[in-house]
Amino acid sequence: EADIYQTPRYLVIGTGKKITLECSQTMGHDKMYWYQQDPGMELHLIHYSYGVNSTEKGDLSSESTVSRIRTEHFPLTLESARPSHTSQYLCASSERWGGRAFFGQGTRLTVV
Amino acid sequence: AQKITQTQPGMFVQEKEAVTLDCTYDTSDPSYGLFWYKQPSSGEMIFLIYQGSYDQQNATEGRYSLNFQKARKSANLVISASQLGDSAMYFCAMREPTGNQFYFGTGTSLTVIP
Repeated sequence: EADIYQTPRYLVIGTGKKITLECSQTMGHDKMYWYQQDPGMELHLIHYSYGVNSTEKGDLSSESTVSRIRTEHFPLTLESARPSHTSQYLCASSERWGGRAFFGQGTRLTVV
Repeated sequence: AQKITQTQPGMFVQEKEAVTLDCTYDTSDPSYGLFWYKQPSSGEMIFLIYQGSYDQQNATEGRYSLNFQKARKSANLVISASQLGDSAMYFCAMREPTGNQFYFGTGTSLTVIP
């Protein structure tokens, strides 16, 4: 049902590596979001975007960065992964006014 | 102040029984949307039901219904005839039209007992 995709689904990576989590949607949504979530815990907004070339930091401080060069694509990058980055990362999108958030399947990141 | 409050960290329900998951919200905007999502152990967020602030009737979607009490600012989710597959985390969320983000509660973990 969802037209929003995240890759990879699972990732195990060593400390200090640079990683990019991919998120793409085919619904033409202006707004996109990245959430960080530890297992069984609440979602924390780390980045969001209103549209192309627009990005903002969310409520939770994060060492990650994002870009929005195309409407459909909203990748999240960690320049130097650390064990504290181990978590699930959820990407979502929504229409500009109203409507629900559509979520990708999530990326479970483990930094060893 | 928290925008969305879910006061039940964990709930248990017998299979085939009904269960109510509580959610209260805080907003001064007259126009807003309320949502419930289910998150099974696999991690994906599954949309369940939506209620608009101007909707006159409570939303229903199959076994899910939303008990919307606007004056009390509550939007409780009712699951009827619980099934084992309903065991999951449930998140209440709100969106204000003037804002750019969704506000999520801390979630309620529901366990359905056979």
